[in-house]
Amino acid sequence: DIQMTQTPSSVSASVGDRVTITCRASQGISSWLAWYQQKPGKAPKLLIYAVSRLQSGVPSRFSGSGSATDFTLTISSLQPEDFATYYCQQANSFPYTFGPGTKVEIK
Amino acid sequence: EVQLLESGGALVQPGGSLRLSCAASGFTFTDYAMSWVRQAPGKGLEWVSGVSGSGGTTYYADSVKGRFTISRDNFKNTLYLQMNSLRAEDTALYYCAKDQGSTVNYFDPWGQGTLVTVSS
Repeated sequence: DIQMTQTPSSVSASVGDRVTITCRASQGISSWLAWYQQKPGKAPKLLIYAVSRLQSGVPSRFSGSGSATDFTLTISSLQPEDFATYYCQQANSFPYTFGPGTKVEIK
Repeated sequence: EVQLLESGGALVQPGGSLRLSCAASGFTFTDYAMSWVRQAPGKGLEWVSGVSGSGGTTYYADSVKGRFTISRDNFKNTLYLQMNSLRAEDTALYYCAKDQGSTVNYFDPWGQGTLVTVSS
């Protein structure tokens, strides 16, 4: 199975900050990577798929990049509604796997 | 508007069985793959199982293979997860999620989840 890791596990940031989260796959997954946002008590929401494609309705301050094994989610200017936990997910091969999550907290 | 409504979660003893349902509306059900994803209390996300739009192809996580069965009724617009030989480690909130297309890839949107608790 492909293992997904994320760094950092948590980050404290202020409104307006640029935040970068890294996701690493244990083997190459081409461009089969997605990012999800989950707020407490809510279901996850798809933000980005195929590494860099923004899901409809997602603000353009979210962006994704990377290839093969190393990927990045960037929030260019953190907004109050962005405080949440973010997960990456590989869709290259079954069983699909998620990263352990990165919690973005208010500084 | 796409809506996914899970049901069937309950408290069940180890070794027991449960069937989860997910009623879908707001889209052409047969055109989309569907998946179940779970989240143990206070933990991260774990993909459990997926099924193609036609229902002809199914996929499972190693942790549930041989115990869980995913299926769909494209006439009733409903997704199912039959869970047998349940273990304490199956305790989680189970989400149903729609895929972007007819094959299992990315999940959006998700339902609100149904809670399964396995305990004696």
